[in-house]
Amino acid sequence: DTEVTQTPKHLVMGMTNKKSLKCEQHMGHRAMYWYKQKAKKPPELMFVYSYEKLSINESVPSRFSPECPNSSLLNLHLHALQPEDSALYLCASSRQPGSPANYGYTFGSGTRLTVV
Amino acid sequence: AQSVTQLGSHVSVSEGALVLLRCNYSSSVPPYLFWYVQYPNQGLQLLLKYTTGATLVKGINGFEAEFKKSETSFHLTKPSAHMSDAAEYFCAVTGGRRGGSNYKLTFGKGTLLTVNP
Repeated sequence: DTEVTQTPKHLVMGMTNKKSLKCEQHMGHRAMYWYKQKAKKPPELMFVYSYEKLSINESVPSRFSPECPNSSLLNLHLHALQPEDSALYLCASSRQPGSPANYGYTFGSGTRLTVV
Repeated sequence: AQSVTQLGSHVSVSEGALVLLRCNYSSSVPPYLFWYVQYPNQGLQLLLKYTTGATLVKGINGFEAEFKKSETSFHLTKPSAHMSDAAEYFCAVTGGRRGGSNYKLTFGKGTLLTVNP
């Protein structure tokens, strides 16, 4: 299995809703990442998990709450989002934390989030 | 710190023509360089990467790129464009040392490639 699987593929939520994005990989990768991509822009790093522990938070607002229950699963909990948070949310993984260069990132297909 | 500049936000070629997408980087340490492709409503797929060794790197789908340190460039080429190559292409850089803060991929702004029949 050489894939990163993200669910759901599309999500529409109101500003008062609570929802979660899910990311799963079974490649034995020990680093997992959340990226946010606005339309016609490059991806921007949000969070890095290294061996199931949060190692990097790129000053992301607290309405985004990541969770890594185990080495294969990464969640992003969403609460009280704003319309400007509408974007494609990409999950990625790499074999070793701090060494994405040697092995490369594997990206999922993303969740297209619309906040209304 | 690293940065990437992709020259040309939109490149249009005819089917069968040469594809050339330009990428220049800035890095305070030896860089690792990547090209990713993104089809509409999809994630990013790695085309190729340069870490160390041979400066001409071959990737998937007939693409290749050459690392030129003197020019701080990593341009992506394909001899003959196919309709299926139409997509957004991102050049990315990260620091070339294990550990430390080289976790972060810094992306260029992307180049949209259109292929005309």
